Amino acid sequence: DIQMTQSPSSLSASVGDRVTITCRASQGISNYLAWYQQKPGKVPKLLIYAASTLQSGVPSRFSGSGSGTDFTLTISSLQPEDVATYYCQKYNSAPFTFGGGTKVEIK
Amino acid sequence: QVQLVQSGAEVKKPGASVKVSCKASGYTFTSYGISWVRQAPGQGLEWMGWISAYNGNTNYAQKLQGRVTMTTDTSTSTAYMELRSLRSDDTAVYYCARMWYAAPLDYWGQGTLVTVSS
Repeated sequence: DIQMTQSPSSLSASVGDRVTITCRASQGISNYLAWYQQKPGKVPKLLIYAASTLQSGVPSRFSGSGSGTDFTLTISSLQPEDVATYYCQKYNSAPFTFGGGTKVEIK
Repeated sequence: QVQLVQSGAEVKKPGASVKVSCKASGYTFTSYGISWVRQAPGQGLEWMGWISAYNGNTNYAQKLQGRVTMTTDTSTSTAYMELRSLRSDDTAVYYCARMWYAAPLDYWGQGTLVTVSS
């Protein structure tokens, strides 16, 4: 099975900072990669799919890139409401594995 | 609007079974599938399996094979996830989410807390 590895597992940044989270697949998955945001105590929410397509209603400060095995989620200017854990997920074929998550906090 | 409404919290003893429901509305149920995802306390998301509401085809996570069964009732637009031989490490919030095969999880249920304790 393909493994999904996220880094870092946590980060602390200041409001307005550019934040980058990476997700690596153990084998190529083309662009079948989604990013989810889970705020504390809340249900996960789809942010980005097809590696770089923003889900409707998601602020434009979020962006995604990558293809094959290496993917990136970028928050161009971190806001207090972005405090959450972010997960990547592969969905090209089962099992639809999640990455381990990256917890984003405000410094 | 698309909604997935799950059944309420459950407390079970080790060795018992639990069946969680997920009632869909706001879309054509048989045009999508349902994935089940769980999250143990303080842990990440774990994909458990997927069922097609169109034809009942399933894919299960290997670690749960033999203990989990996913079904759908198209007459009521409801998906079910049954987990048997419960252990303490099955304590988690269980989510259903709408998903067609090779597509992301775009709508999620509110989650169902299953607690396994003697």
